[in-house]
Amino acid sequence: DSGVTQTPKHLITATGQRVTLRCSPRSGDLSVYWYQQSLDQGLQFLIQYYNGEERAKGNILERFSAQQFPDLHSELNLSSLELGDSALYFCASSVVGENTEAFFGQGTRLTVV
Amino acid sequence: GENVEQHPSTLSVQEGDSAVIKCTYSDSASNYFPWYKQELGKRPQLIIDIRSNVGEKKDQRIAVTLNKTAKHFSLHITETQPEDSAVYFCAVGGGGATNKLIFGTGTLLAVQP
Repeated sequence: DSGVTQTPKHLITATGQRVTLRCSPRSGDLSVYWYQQSLDQGLQFLIQYYNGEERAKGNILERFSAQQFPDLHSELNLSSLELGDSALYFCASSVVGENTEAFFGQGTRLTVV
Repeated sequence: GENVEQHPSTLSVQEGDSAVIKCTYSDSASNYFPWYKQELGKRPQLIIDIRSNVGEKKDQRIAVTLNKTAKHFSLHITETQPEDSAVYFCAVGGGGATNKLIFGTGTLLAVQP
């Protein structure tokens, strides 16, 4: 158990819909990262938050948005879903200030039908 | 932005042989180089990492070497075992104002008994 909790584990939804993925980081970790892993693909960096503020942005679509709340949990919102958005979405957390290990959650598998 | 290339994409070895996976990166400001192992259907987990002030690090059967001048680093697994079979990802962090991790495209390692 990495200490990073993601909910839900599985999500099936229809095209055009909107979903919210939730992540609770390890206790004490201020930084949260979101990654997308499509079938047979690597880990694509989407966005990073640190202590409630956006720190870095990757190849995140405009239909996607995220935020980190005062209690440090984070949510990734995916809207106007397309079939190609089907993927495994990982959240990771780490201590920022010096490069250290990023701990990954178990992921949310999103299937768009 | 940072670009990370990883080779080979697949690697098949006989049990007991060594395996080597190589990564190159583009941002000379990067200073953190972890390797993650991802078993089928599971989250990525850190197996070893190295920072830019170190050229080599070893942990039992696993070692990582870093050449900052050439901007490449490698994972070496000796005496491979069937349980080493997984997807291995290199990552690069620390470039710019954020320590976000940018991952390589992954190497599927198959250890044949």
